[in-house]
Amino acid sequence: KAGVTQTPRYLIKTRGQQVTLSCSPISGHRSVSWYQQTPGQGLQFLFEYFSETQRNKGNFPGRFSGRQFSNSRSEMNVSTLELGDSALYLCASSLVTGGTGELFFGEGSRLTVL
Amino acid sequence: GEDVEQSLFLSVREGDSSVINCTYTDSSSTYLYWYKQEPGAGLQLLTYIFSNMDMKQDQRLTVLLNKKDKHLSLRIADTQTGDSAIYFCAESMDSNYQLIWGAGTKLIIKP
Repeated sequence: KAGVTQTPRYLIKTRGQQVTLSCSPISGHRSVSWYQQTPGQGLQFLFEYFSETQRNKGNFPGRFSGRQFSNSRSEMNVSTLELGDSALYLCASSLVTGGTGELFFGEGSRLTVL
Repeated sequence: GEDVEQSLFLSVREGDSSVINCTYTDSSSTYLYWYKQEPGAGLQLLTYIFSNMDMKQDQRLTVLLNKKDKHLSLRIADTQTGDSAIYFCAESMDSNYQLIWGAGTKLIIKP
């Protein structure tokens, strides 16, 4: 069974640009959540989607957005990039929504903003 | 507010036991998790414990929960070089999907 796949693995952007990251969950998983990981802040929750609906959102500005498609694949978008957006963006999928299900993480997309 | 705290680093000798500690503030936490992140990889669930349990053991791993002090620990017996990783503690409540994460403890193994 294939794991969670995130693309691209690495990318470099400049300030002001926008970026789209993709996440393909484990087959059968309908919940996808996104996290930002930085050395100083640890893991910060961005948002969670379940059956194409955003179920929960973390404390990030509106420049961060996401969506989920009918096949459960998810994308997140960051517009008007800032230097502080440099981070590892992790996607996790789960069978169920709610804090009782095991999260399966992808290897992440490492974004560098210059 | 909700907060989960961990030490950033722990250094142990190969073969010794490692004890990684975590404190949390929300007494309504239902589940508490330990995740492991190896270099260049995503996080992987190691183990979890329900809040009505005091202890859970799984091979070399022992989880202890002290609800009164809101303290969670992960003990790794006979620590090996393959245990080198960052260990994250997280809590969740039934009513809210959003897991609250600690900053992670980097476990360093000395030969």
